[in-house]
Amino acid sequence: QVQLVQSGAEVKKPGASVKVSCKASGYPFSGYSLHWVRQAPGQGLEWIGRINPDSDDTIYARKFQGRVTLTRDTSINTAYLDLSRLTSDDTAVYFCTREILVVPVAGGPFRWFKPWGQGTQVTVSS
Amino acid sequence: EIVLTQSPGTLSLSPGERATLFCRASQSVSSSDLAWYQHKSGQAPRLLIHGASFRATGIPDRFSGSGSGTDFTLTISRLEPEDFAVYYCQHYESSCTFGQGTKLEIK
Repeated sequence: QVQLVQSGAEVKKPGASVKVSCKASGYPFSGYSLHWVRQAPGQGLEWIGRINPDSDDTIYARKFQGRVTLTRDTSINTAYLDLSRLTSDDTAVYFCTREILVVPVAGGPFRWFKPWGQGTQVTVSS
Repeated sequence: EIVLTQSPGTLSLSPGERATLFCRASQSVSSSDLAWYQHKSGQAPRLLIHGASFRATGIPDRFSGSGSGTDFTLTISRLEPEDFAVYYCQHYESSCTFGQGTKLEIK
């Protein structure tokens, strides 16, 4: 079945960087874009960015530009989120999720996110 | 940038009741780019509705979505105990935004 499995929890000090992985299985990795979304404590879902594993093209939310890098390794079907210059505001659960794009004959295109990884807790604390 | 505003912030209802959740976009959006997700603490978000009104695979028919332009609605016809969670609307075209969420809690 289609599955996204993320790396384990991380504890980092302010100013450090963190790299979270997302391993895909059950579908052709290069055929679907992957997005990263986070949820800080008591907050809602926040979109970070997207990578197209086939073209390596990336788009980042304005808030994270200059501080986030999305990469992928197609040989092991894995995508990565690299976030630098961490502050306590970056403490959150980070999710990867696959984009489904459907282009019908009429209407659309339709886009949605499914499935999602299990989430990776990143804690930034001195 | 599209801003999605969800209301109410918290909805207190009892099992068996009907829930109506709202999502308003700051400008008109294509229905095909509007989705709804359910999120429970400690779990991954779950897709409920895509294209504003199309139920995702495996989603019970008590969940329905409607709307167009700037105003969208998620309706849960008869609440089951497992439906109490946080619900987010999402717009994704060239970039993605989520509403701030509606917490559906047991009254």
